[in-house]
Amino acid sequence: KQEVTQIPAALSVPEGENLVLNCSFTDSAIYNLQWFRQDPGKGLTSLLLIQSSQREQTSGRLNASLDKSSGRSTLYIAASQPGDSATYLCAVDNAGNMLTFGGGTRLMVKP
Amino acid sequence: DAGVIQSPRHEVTEMGQEVTLRCKPISGHDYLFWYRQTMMRGLELLIYFNNNVPIDDSGMPEDRFSAKMPNASFSTLKIQPSEPRDSAVYFCASSPILQGKEHFGDGTRLSIL
Repeated sequence: KQEVTQIPAALSVPEGENLVLNCSFTDSAIYNLQWFRQDPGKGLTSLLLIQSSQREQTSGRLNASLDKSSGRSTLYIAASQPGDSATYLCAVDNAGNMLTFGGGTRLMVKP
Repeated sequence: DAGVIQSPRHEVTEMGQEVTLRCKPISGHDYLFWYRQTMMRGLELLIYFNNNVPIDDSGMPEDRFSAKMPNASFSTLKIQPSEPRDSAVYFCASSPILQGKEHFGDGTRLSIL
């Protein structure tokens, strides 16, 4: 059974810092990996989707990498802003649209 | 597009009552998912549909839970009878293709007293 772990569970940084969120998974036979953002009281917004054949995806200040063989993914946020404060979740797809989620990293960016 | 629409946003009811959660997916999306989010277990997939047909319901916790999708624009998740341990946020999501990005609604916060 796939297990997804995210470290750290919470992170507080000053505005402007570059930061890295980590995600690890136990079963490397995945179709893809997604990073989501969740704001309080809201649903999830998909930020980046990396197919199993890809190594990374970029969108603006966000860059996600995937190392399938080691079961790891990182989400890099450049020049963090207070508006980036949210919970970030990674999810892996093992069987076609069957997402397994990590517990999330709660990020706070202080002005 | 209005996105995925869920109702109600909040539901408080007493144990033993029937609860019905509703979802309208994004038009044209062939896949619909129901998730449950709790502090203890995080986000879990309960069931998903393709073209209104249930494909995998292995995440549905008990027979008290049932889900239907009578047409492409509407789905329900029903709990009967409800129990306090069913208290959670229930999310509906839709996707246009298999293994594509999923679009989530804002969820229904359910409290069973």
